[in-house]
Amino acid sequence: GQQLNQSPQSMFIQEGEDVSMNCTSSSIFNTWLWYKQDPGEGPVLLIALYKAGELTSNGRLTAQFGITRKDSFLNISASIPSDVGIYFCAGPGQSGAGSYQLTFGKGTKLSVIP
Amino acid sequence: GAVVSQHPSWVICKSGTSVKIECRSLDFQATTMFWYRQFPKQSLMLMATSNEGSKATYEQGVEKDKFLINHASLTLSTLTVTSAHPEDSSFYICSARATSRGWQPQHFGDGTRLSIL
Repeated sequence: GQQLNQSPQSMFIQEGEDVSMNCTSSSIFNTWLWYKQDPGEGPVLLIALYKAGELTSNGRLTAQFGITRKDSFLNISASIPSDVGIYFCAGPGQSGAGSYQLTFGKGTKLSVIP
Repeated sequence: GAVVSQHPSWVICKSGTSVKIECRSLDFQATTMFWYRQFPKQSLMLMATSNEGSKATYEQGVEKDKFLINHASLTLSTLTVTSAHPEDSSFYICSARATSRGWQPQHFGDGTRLSIL
């Protein structure tokens, strides 16, 4: 099945630093999603990307959909303590009923040192 | 918008008990809802896809008689863990996508922490 490789697995950064994480796939995705999960809560959608090459921002977050449609990155600028959490990339299935299902990366755990 | 409510948020019960978890889309209609399980320090694993008015589709390795899913309306899906045992202890999360002709992202509930003693 489809797999998403997410890196890095974890990051420790100083408050105020910029962060970059990425997600790659061996197969093409038509949509890329980035979610953040706080401890004990469900994932919250941060950014959705629908078109190859698309660059989208949401506040201090910026994500891009790779031109090959096999990768995406998420950048966080000027990190703050509340950015702590696990960030997941996700993409839908290719066709049919499976196109509504999501495949998730293994997550990037972000720790911000005040 | 796109709020999904999950209840209860935490359950502790004895082995052999059946536990029901509710997932509601509060401000949109959801033809399709999804149930995930997440073990500590791991990613979300899809258990089943719940379709309103029809049988759920289970992922390989998930016992349909163990994890009963009912999607009786466009805003409510329930997951019942029957005769739960300690190995069923996990974080269960539901999600819903809005009924639409086009592709819509999933929005997640806050999860249910299930602990079986």
